[in-house]
Amino acid sequence: QSALTQPPSASETPGQRVTISCSGSSSNIGSNYVYWYQQLPGTAPKLLIYRSNQRPSGVPDRFSGSKSGTSASLAISGLRSEDEADYYCAAWDDSLSGVVFGGGTKLTVL
Amino acid sequence: QLRLQESGPGLVKPSETLSLTCSVSGDSNSIRGFYWGWIRQPPGKGLEWIGTVYYNSGRTYYNPSLKSRVTISADTSKNQFSLKMGSVTAADTAVYYCARHEGTAIAPGFDSWGQGSLVTVSS
Repeated sequence: QSALTQPPSASETPGQRVTISCSGSSSNIGSNYVYWYQQLPGTAPKLLIYRSNQRPSGVPDRFSGSKSGTSASLAISGLRSEDEADYYCAAWDDSLSGVVFGGGTKLTVL
Repeated sequence: QLRLQESGPGLVKPSETLSLTCSVSGDSNSIRGFYWGWIRQPPGKGLEWIGTVYYNSGRTYYNPSLKSRVTISADTSKNQFSLKMGSVTAADTAVYYCARHEGTAIAPGFDSWGQGSLVTVSS
């Protein structure tokens, strides 16, 4: 059981906006930054959002992150077929003194 | 451009020790002063952080659930990071990734990844 809780799946049609949630606790999301990863089939994860709402160079501004209290969200606007992937959230957990990941959300672009 | 490459046996017997090496190449300024982590992913499942080593000091940080079985170390002369996990079982079958923490802290932002190494635990 993951320390961070994500919905196992999400789906939306091309061009629309989808949000993926990540729920944690005061020891992780509540007191630390949140990070988001995109993992395409058969490939290593790719950092999508760092420090809760920052995009690495090269990541389109269609991807955005936010955090409120002990929850965080990843929003993808203008959905494209190539966005179909697994998405993971991550945070530092002060109680565990370690990195914790969400269980992942499989995004299907209908 | 930073490149990370995992290497090691693809098959390990139960109760034995899993050993992997991550070889890093690229600009030395992109290697020194960073934290380097190991993450694994069982087939069809999610990501699990195993542990991290700090390049400059060799200080290590481990997932509490794996700490008793794991050793991570750095060979700075070769820009290599190693993972050893003892007493493996079938539950340790996974793709093992090495990755660099972004920035100069141990925040969970891994900005560069190896391609991953599948390790199967089976007799």
